[in-house]
Amino acid sequence: ETGVTQTPRHLVMGMTNKKSLKCEQHLGHNAMYWYKQSAKKPLELMFVYNFKEQTENNSVPSRFSPECPNSSHLFLHLHTLQPEDSALYLCASSQERASGIYNEQFFGPGTRLTVL
Amino acid sequence: LAKTTQPISMDSYEGQEVNITCSHNNIATNDYITWYQQFPSQGPRFIIQGYKTKVTNEVASLFIPADRKSSTLSLPRVSLSDTAVYYCLVGDGGSGTYKYIFGTGTRLKVLA
Repeated sequence: ETGVTQTPRHLVMGMTNKKSLKCEQHLGHNAMYWYKQSAKKPLELMFVYNFKEQTENNSVPSRFSPECPNSSHLFLHLHTLQPEDSALYLCASSQERASGIYNEQFFGPGTRLTVL
Repeated sequence: LAKTTQPISMDSYEGQEVNITCSHNNIATNDYITWYQQFPSQGPRFIIQGYKTKVTNEVASLFIPADRKSSTLSLPRVSLSDTAVYYCLVGDGGSGTYKYIFGTGTRLKVLA
């Protein structure tokens, strides 16, 4: 148990579906992240939120839409995905992310997404 | 952005010491070196972090030479449960946005 939970753990969706991934952290952190991990590829940082504000979007397609209503919750809304979007989506949190300071990131177990 | 290079895979036997070396030639002055461990179908888990010289905790040791262009994660007396992917991570403190890049990692397999 890392203090970061993700639901659902597994998700199968069609290309025309709309679904959402949820992440919740119980660590009192202020920074939250979405990562994508495809088979045989490194983890890719997708989005970063710091104090509920999005601070980074690493050229992620608009079919992925993040939402951070408060420092404890992070969502990833999915629509019209492609089969190549099938991957493990990981959420992480840390203390506030500030330039020049590294803080340990705590990862959730991930959501295994399959797009048919 | 600081890029890391690690061996793709390593095999070891139970009870042996395992050393995994990471190369990071473009490390910036303010960057720390961090190692994560990832088991299948789980998120990565923090192992150890250091800036220079040697750092030791209950799980591992991290050796960093003076030029900081590489680092070595040392796992003493590994067991089967240490089979995992190990990532070396170097922060990019130069661009201001402080992105962290996970490399391909080293897949460690511990054999009985």
